[in-house]
Amino acid sequence: DSGVTQTPKHLITATGQRVTLRCSPRSGDLSVYWYQQSLDQGLQFLIQYYNGEERAKGNILERFSAQQFPDLHSELNLSSLELGDSALYFCASSVARATDTQYFGPGTRLTVL
Amino acid sequence: DAKTTQPNSMESNEEEPVHLPCNHSTISGTDYIHWYRQLPSQGPEYVIHGLTSNVNNRMASLAIAEDRKSSTLILHRATLRDAAVYYCILRGPIYNQGGKLIFGQGTELSVKP
Repeated sequence: DSGVTQTPKHLITATGQRVTLRCSPRSGDLSVYWYQQSLDQGLQFLIQYYNGEERAKGNILERFSAQQFPDLHSELNLSSLELGDSALYFCASSVARATDTQYFGPGTRLTVL
Repeated sequence: DAKTTQPNSMESNEEEPVHLPCNHSTISGTDYIHWYRQLPSQGPEYVIHGLTSNVNNRMASLAIAEDRKSSTLILHRATLRDAAVYYCILRGPIYNQGGKLIFGQGTELSVKP
């Protein structure tokens, strides 16, 4: 158990819909990262937040957005969903020191029908 | 982001040592070499990291070439539980890149009883 929790575990929805994925980091970790894992693209970095502020952005679509709240939990919002958005979405957290370890949650499996 | 090259797959016998190679010829002086692994149906987990010197921890050893253009992850006695995809990742300084992890295709390690 990494100490990072993600909800829900599975999500099935239809094209065009909007969903919110939630991540609670390990106690004391200030940084949250979101990654997407699909069969054709592998594991891809989406976005990072540090203590409530956006820190780095990867190949995140404009239909996707995220935020980190004062209690440090984070949400990833996916809108106007397409079939290709079906994937595993992982959240990771870290203390954010120079060479720190990222701890990954169990992931949310999103299926868009 | 500097790239890494790993074999797509490797096989090992249980209880035997495993050497997982990684080439990173374009590594910069400030890049750390990180290894993560992903067990089936789980999020990635940290294995080990290093900068220049060889490193040991309870999970594995990391041998880094003198010119830093390659490294090898060593599992001293493979167990069935070590069957996973192993990712070699170059990670720049967190102060200017935020600490994101750029995953390649990794090496799928299978362990035979």
